[in-house]
Amino acid sequence: DAKTTQPTSMDCAEGRAANLPCNHSTISGNEYVYWYRQIHSQGPQYIIHGLKNNETNEMASLIITEDRKSSTLILPHATLRDTAVYYCIVRVPLGGAGSYQLTFGKGTKLSVIP
Amino acid sequence: EPEVTQTPSHQVTQMGQEVILRCVPISNHLYFYWYRQILGQKVEFLVSFYNNEISEKSEIFDDQFSVERPDGSNFTLKIRSTKLEDSAMYFCASSEAAWVPQYFGPGTRLTVL
Repeated sequence: DAKTTQPTSMDCAEGRAANLPCNHSTISGNEYVYWYRQIHSQGPQYIIHGLKNNETNEMASLIITEDRKSSTLILPHATLRDTAVYYCIVRVPLGGAGSYQLTFGKGTKLSVIP
Repeated sequence: EPEVTQTPSHQVTQMGQEVILRCVPISNHLYFYWYRQILGQKVEFLVSFYNNEISEKSEIFDDQFSVERPDGSNFTLKIRSTKLEDSAMYFCASSEAAWVPQYFGPGTRLTVL
């Protein structure tokens, strides 16, 4: 899987949008971008994933640049409960040289401040 | 909303003892996984399981570890002879297929004394 680079930590004011960047400059054409988060020591929680197009669900939006070398996860109205470590993971789907595993990095620790 | 569940939430054991960690994946999911996270470190993949056999395992998953789906609902991780360095949070995950999101359980905290 391609490596990702994320800032170590970020702060966001409660109620504001949280924009979490991820660099994946070595991503290949069939690798998906996944975002998970981990609140304290709980199990990682799936947020969203995408290949090329921007994606939105009830939790967040994912913006992927046209060259696919970077992406941004957007939490539109951050709350205190969004304080967590956010992981950006790139992953090849099975069928090629894909792997079953998710490879977690250190992620970005997002602190939502009242 | 369906969830992955894990029991127990906390397991304390003596070094050299066997432990079995239990997971109930989401009911229509076919792929099952174990990950672990040593305190303060990254989440690490251990093993994936499909169609009653291991499909992939990491270097961590040595002969001390085994997995089983003993019935239609449970998925277990057994550590035969625990070591101090096995102390970690163990997360079970499941997915409908191999290339879709994996959903994680809340974890079992294993403490080896």
